[in-house]
Amino acid sequence: GESVGLHLPTLSVQEGDNSIINCAYSNSASDYFIWYKQESGKGPQFIIDIRSNMDKRQGQRVTVLLNKTVKHLSLQIAATQPGDSAVYFCAENMGTSYDKVIFGPGTSLSVIP
Amino acid sequence: EAQVTQNPRYLITVTGKKLTVTCSQNMNHEYMSWYRQDPGLGLRQIYYSMNVEVTDKGDVPEGYKVSRKEKRNFPLILESPSPNQTSLYFCASRTLAGGIETQYFGPGTRLLVL
Repeated sequence: GESVGLHLPTLSVQEGDNSIINCAYSNSASDYFIWYKQESGKGPQFIIDIRSNMDKRQGQRVTVLLNKTVKHLSLQIAATQPGDSAVYFCAENMGTSYDKVIFGPGTSLSVIP
Repeated sequence: EAQVTQNPRYLITVTGKKLTVTCSQNMNHEYMSWYRQDPGLGLRQIYYSMNVEVTDKGDVPEGYKVSRKEKRNFPLILESPSPNQTSLYFCASRTLAGGIETQYFGPGTRLLVL
């Protein structure tokens, strides 16, 4: 079936280093992608999104890259801080339904002080 | 403060004992939704509602009911809970005028069914 998956379930990085979280998607019809951050005991929080007509989008300390050729999405966090420790989810929307969002299983990011 | 609240936050129950998890939002959002989160599976949508008295099934609706009698509230009802409904549940809401990225999530309800 169609799914969104993450290559790395856990990731540990040193404070100040850059983090890269990867995501593979299988639905070539997906045209909108979102990254969420979920801190312990809280619900998912929107970080950044990208549409399929783009291959890169930057936010504050975060960058999302989209490679449609290999159906790959990544989230880069610059100068990772302890507050970045969380579970990160990618999600895709096929555009046919305003609400049909498929979430990946998540990657746990731990920042080592 | 704009928020989605859920109650209870933690619940332990036994098989077959009916329970309700409440969800309330103070943003006058039309759209509300329930998800369950399980390890390795991400979030999966259970039910959603586009407005008062308008509800529809998501991807995993079996064993659940919802109601939308008021715009601010969207309770999730488990008529006869089973152990496979042990999970972390999230309620979410957004305005229909906004995109998916504007969705607010509640803090979650952790349910254990024995």
